[in-house]
Amino acid sequence: SQTIHQWPATLVQPVGSPLSLECTVEGTSNPNLYWYRQAAGRGLQLLFYSVGIGQISSEVPQNLSASRPQDRQFILSSKKLLLSDSGFYLCAWSQSGGRGQPQHFGDGTRLSIL
Amino acid sequence: GDSVTQMEGPVTLSEEAFLTINCTYTATGYPSLFWYVQYPGEGLQLLLKATKADDKGSNKGFEATYRKETTSFHLEKGSVQVSDSAVYFCALSHSGGYQKVTFGTGTKLQVIP
Repeated sequence: SQTIHQWPATLVQPVGSPLSLECTVEGTSNPNLYWYRQAAGRGLQLLFYSVGIGQISSEVPQNLSASRPQDRQFILSSKKLLLSDSGFYLCAWSQSGGRGQPQHFGDGTRLSIL
Repeated sequence: GDSVTQMEGPVTLSEEAFLTINCTYTATGYPSLFWYVQYPGEGLQLLLKATKADDKGSNKGFEATYRKETTSFHLEKGSVQVSDSAVYFCALSHSGGYQKVTFGTGTKLQVIP
């Protein structure tokens, strides 16, 4: 069966520090991968998605970047964190193609910027 | 563009009450529709889905029917439990290699004993 791992679970970082969040998927190949941010008590904002290795699409301009160095690995990064980067970050995957393919989410990373 | 509208929360119910969470959508074509659930401090989990008009998705006592004529996908459960307390998200996606999902803003459900 497929599983998705996301780490760390929580992170406290000072303003201006770098960031690296990692997500890996097991049990499938060539998945679509996604990074979302969820502000407290709010809905989901899609940050990046990827349909293949090295292929990254950004949904919103921001202080963050994403990379996909391997088929089932998705990394969210920042060179200098801002206070506004605080939030709950979720990685997700879905099967490519077909109809009605749901997204499957990791357990999330709670990021607090001080 | 696509959009999903959910009823505002929080919704507070007593245990064993009947639950309805309204969801309507705006989209071109024939999207697939989903309900996800998010328990405190966790990621989202797929609760149920429907891929064509009049389909009924069901899971764990929850049901939702894809109503094309009213562009709705309301979530229902006949008897809620305290363990159902969570945030519920309605969502839609289109077919294709990249299935962008449009989420509603979520409805928080609180079930009290």
